[in-house]
Amino acid sequence: FVLTQPHSVSESPGKTVTLSCTGSSGNIASNYVQWYQQRPGSAPTLIIFEDNQRPSGVPDRISGSIDSSSNSASLIISGLRTEDEADYYCQSYDAAKQVVFGGGTKLTVL
Amino acid sequence: QVHLMESGGGVVQPGRSLRLSCAASGFSFDSHGMHWVRQPPGRGLEWLALISYEGSKTSYADSVMGRFIISRDNFKNTLYLQMNSLETDDTATYYCARDPSWSTLAYYFDSWGQGTLVTVSS
Repeated sequence: FVLTQPHSVSESPGKTVTLSCTGSSGNIASNYVQWYQQRPGSAPTLIIFEDNQRPSGVPDRISGSIDSSSNSASLIISGLRTEDEADYYCQSYDAAKQVVFGGGTKLTVL
Repeated sequence: QVHLMESGGGVVQPGRSLRLSCAASGFSFDSHGMHWVRQPPGRGLEWLALISYEGSKTSYADSVMGRFIISRDNFKNTLYLQMNSLETDDTATYYCARDPSWSTLAYYFDSWGQGTLVTVSS
């Protein structure tokens, strides 16, 4: 089971960006998808869990969704800020309960 | 406040062993599963291993199965990763991370340590 993310995405401040995460097989909706943000030089932090839930402290301009028809998950960030510039990783697990990460997307805000 | 602090990283020769530790504080360590995740320089995240809250269940990524051993000491609030037969491809920052579920596993990570760098080189 592989999760595929675009290598890089660029968008302007104030705009909305959607980061995709596509599952290689099965139904991505079978197991929860999480999203992590990693700024340069820092550890990852959880920003979306269980497909679309936000931990406390994560602003509501960040949201997650699942699309079973395309077997993909999406991270949507609206009102982009320069502080959103980071690497973003999706994560789930397969039928054998092996944890899987996507390859990560580098988001540039310029 | 959940706090995880890894230690034990450093430079090691190929074929040698190293043990990493992760000291936990600020939460009931003995009620949460724990994981190790690594990140090679300039690359993405790779999950390595998990251990259940009481230590009875472990699971490993294929890339480290048979070489790495995850364990925990709930009296010392400490997680370990014993790494044997190290290879140059094991060079990475190693993170410990908490599973958010109480007394079971949710298979994701709600808190991370800052990581410890392991460099495998002759």
